[in-house]
Amino acid sequence: DAGITQSPRHKVTETGTPVTLRCHQTENHRYMYWYRQDPGHGLRLIHYSYGVKDTDKGEVSDGYSVSRSKTEDFLLTLESATSSQTSVYFCAISGTGGLDEKLFFGSGTQLSVL
Amino acid sequence: ELKVEQNPLFLSMQEGKNYTIYCNYSTTSDRLYWYRQDPGKSLESLFVLLSNGAVKQEGRLMASLDTKARLSTLHITAAVHDLSATYFCAVDGRKGTYKYIFGTGTRLKVLA
Repeated sequence: DAGITQSPRHKVTETGTPVTLRCHQTENHRYMYWYRQDPGHGLRLIHYSYGVKDTDKGEVSDGYSVSRSKTEDFLLTLESATSSQTSVYFCAISGTGGLDEKLFFGSGTQLSVL
Repeated sequence: ELKVEQNPLFLSMQEGKNYTIYCNYSTTSDRLYWYRQDPGKSLESLFVLLSNGAVKQEGRLMASLDTKARLSTLHITAAVHDLSATYFCAVDGRKGTYKYIFGTGTRLKVLA
């Protein structure tokens, strides 16, 4: 299995509080992603990174920010959490070329905003 | 804006039957990916299709890609209960960017 660790695995927070989710990889892959999964919507891309300090918005980036200061870490921050951000968040990584040219997913973070 | 549409969204089928899941996309990407997700679990890669006409098979699942029609199919042959899961297709949103956009998923239930 690809070495991807998401933390925390579960989090309950209150509306208006900041929340940071962490994704850590040991594969040295260039690309890292944050997706959210909601019933009826499949997986939607929030932000992705194509290198250290290089990030781009996805389909549903409003209300989220990201940072990547090291190859192995990709942080997702909800500056002021809202109930609509209750979701399962998946981190993924991808290499380029060959067998690594696909997404490898972390175990997910269940976030509840009350 | 890239659209990736799957149908059907839900599929209930008997063991031993055949069926096909469709994935349509709106971009000119020539790369398409299929993933499987078991309930409460993460996603795992099934197939990587990297060119027009590509066909991949594993067990009872076969995936194909027609880039001219912007269509991929996932065919299930003689379904068994263990294939019950949600299946997603994904496309590289802008060619060469590795910005993967997913379809809404097809939830498959195989009845014994």
